[in-house]
Amino acid sequence: EAGVAQSPRYKIIEKRQSVAFWCNPISGHATLYWYQQILGQGPKLLIQFQNNGVVDDSQLPKDRFSAERLKGVDSTLKIQPAKLEDSAVYLCASSRDREPHEQYFGPGTRLTVT
Amino acid sequence: EDKVVQSPLSLVVHEGDTVTLNCSYEVTNFRSLLWYKQEKKAPTFLFMLTSSGIEKKSGRLSSILDKKELFSILNITATQTGDSAVYLCAVEARTSYGKLTFGQGTILTVHP
Repeated sequence: EAGVAQSPRYKIIEKRQSVAFWCNPISGHATLYWYQQILGQGPKLLIQFQNNGVVDDSQLPKDRFSAERLKGVDSTLKIQPAKLEDSAVYLCASSRDREPHEQYFGPGTRLTVT
Repeated sequence: EDKVVQSPLSLVVHEGDTVTLNCSYEVTNFRSLLWYKQEKKAPTFLFMLTSSGIEKKSGRLSSILDKKELFSILNITATQTGDSAVYLCAVEARTSYGKLTFGQGTILTVHP
């Protein structure tokens, strides 16, 4: 089965610019996650979708970050405006909504904000 | 707030050595603990542990969970250079289905 797809793989922007990341989960996976991984740290959950509804967005900085999952499949994560501290790898993961529900990760997007 | 602490933060060994990575956690209403391997890309799933004392094994890797003492270990025997990676431990609570809290990871370097 095809894995989680993400694009772009790398992005360099200046602070105050905007950027968007795209994720296509594994076919049939109802749950989709966006994580932020800062260098030297473990991934931190930003937002979790179940189909096209938000389950948890408690750690999403909503003043600058937004995410959507239209039609319950693909998802986009947007940052506007970007700050230097947003430099990180943004990982998308998906899982089934039944056991076993381990998460499978995409290759990530490495964002550098200058 | 759920918390996961991994040790050591980094480890350097030679091929053929056996290593043990540690993961301790604090989580309200524990559901599962997961181990991932992360090379220069996405974390790849290794194990999911839900029951105490039952060892999960895959080739040279094995893991066990102690729910009483709130920790897990990941063992790698006969290490190879391809085992060099960051090993991540994460926990899931029953009250937040699917939401994982990760530790900071252990960087394992295996020299030939």
